[in-house]
Amino acid sequence: EIVLTQSPATLSLSPGERATLSCRVSQSVGTQLAWYQQKPGQAPRLLIDDASKRATGIPARFSGSGSGTDFTLTISSLEVEDFAVYYCQQRNSWPLTFGGGTKVEIK
Amino acid sequence: EVQLVESGGGLVQPGGSLRLSCAASGFTFSTHAMDWVRQAPGRGLEWVSEISGSGIYKQYRDSVKGRFTIFRDNAKSSLYLQMNSLWAEDTAIYYCARRQVISTMSNGAFDIWGRGTMVTVSS
Repeated sequence: EIVLTQSPATLSLSPGERATLSCRVSQSVGTQLAWYQQKPGQAPRLLIDDASKRATGIPARFSGSGSGTDFTLTISSLEVEDFAVYYCQQRNSWPLTFGGGTKVEIK
Repeated sequence: EVQLVESGGGLVQPGGSLRLSCAASGFTFSTHAMDWVRQAPGRGLEWVSEISGSGIYKQYRDSVKGRFTIFRDNAKSSLYLQMNSLWAEDTAIYYCARRQVISTMSNGAFDIWGRGTMVTVSS
């Protein structure tokens, strides 16, 4: 099973700041990695697929990068609505697996 | 509007059974692989099972193999998860999720999610 390790577990930032979230994968998944945002009481929402392709309707302040085993989600300037939990997920092999999540909280 | 609506969750005793349903609308259901993803209270996301658009191919995580069965009815645009021999560890919100179609041979990420249905396994 491919293990995804997200860091940090919690990121405390202020609106307007830049957020950098990491996802390290136990074996190469090429670019078959996605990022999701989840707010309390809501279902996850797809942000990024194929490591760097924004999903439909996702603002340009969200960007993804990386390949192989190291991936990054960057939020260039945090809006109030961006404070949430973020998960990475690989779709390279079974079972499909998610990282443990990074919570982005208001400082 | 593209939508997934889950139902069928509830409280069940250990060893019991439940059948979850997911009603899809707003898209051609049969062209998409569909999945169940769960989330235990206060925990992260965990993939459970996937079924191909045709219903022929199925995948399960090890911990549910032999206990859970995924199936679909394309005529009704519905996805199901039959859960038997439930354990306390199966307690979670169960989400129905659609896989993006990248090509005839490749599926992408989960691009559409339902709101989930809660399953509680407890005596």
